[in-house]
Amino acid sequence: GAVVSQHPSWVICKSGTSVKIECRSLDFQATTMFWYRQFPKKSLMLMATSNEGSKATYEQGVEKDKFLINHASLTLSTLTVTSAHPEDSSFYICSAKLDRNTEAFFGQGTRLTVV
Amino acid sequence: LAKTTQPISMDSYEGQEVNITCSHNNIATNDYITWYQQFPSQGPRFIIQGYKTKVTNEVASLFIPADRKSSTLSLPRVSLSDTAVYYCLVGDKGYSTLTFGKGTMLLVSP
Repeated sequence: GAVVSQHPSWVICKSGTSVKIECRSLDFQATTMFWYRQFPKKSLMLMATSNEGSKATYEQGVEKDKFLINHASLTLSTLTVTSAHPEDSSFYICSAKLDRNTEAFFGQGTRLTVV
Repeated sequence: LAKTTQPISMDSYEGQEVNITCSHNNIATNDYITWYQQFPSQGPRFIIQGYKTKVTNEVASLFIPADRKSSTLSLPRVSLSDTAVYYCLVGDKGYSTLTFGKGTMLLVSP
């Protein structure tokens, strides 16, 4: 299957700082990318959907000014957690689709710890 | 998107066949059924997708009855490495959004 890579795999940051997570589709061009967060022993919670070149669509309850998503190209989407706080500590996962008729491929996830 | 209901957990032993059923009573005509597998601290991995009847690939089979209100993921001869959470998703193939339910935690024991 297609490969989606996230970077970094884990990150520790101080409270109040910003952290950027990258999501790349390595061998295909992704028209749509999704961002999720997952708490321990919980399911994935969709945060936002982004299409290349347009603004992301955020799910209800997700602060778009805190979680900045940029889908600048067909192979790269970034999630920036601004002014991070300990409650933002979570596992963040991205996924990407080639087009409407293909399944979504997921990155390996990024473990964010805010101290 | 159609809501799905799965068992919270299942136990099995190595070598057994495991069947995980997902209920989706309000599935729409254009909806497909997709299953993902997730190991701890990893992103989900696509297993199989189907619309009706039976679909089989190298790792699993998916059985969908005629009314499509449920589906069953069948894993033949599971091994310890199949211990994971399995998610059933229902939605149009375009998947304008991908919404995960609670999933089924499968534990395979020796």
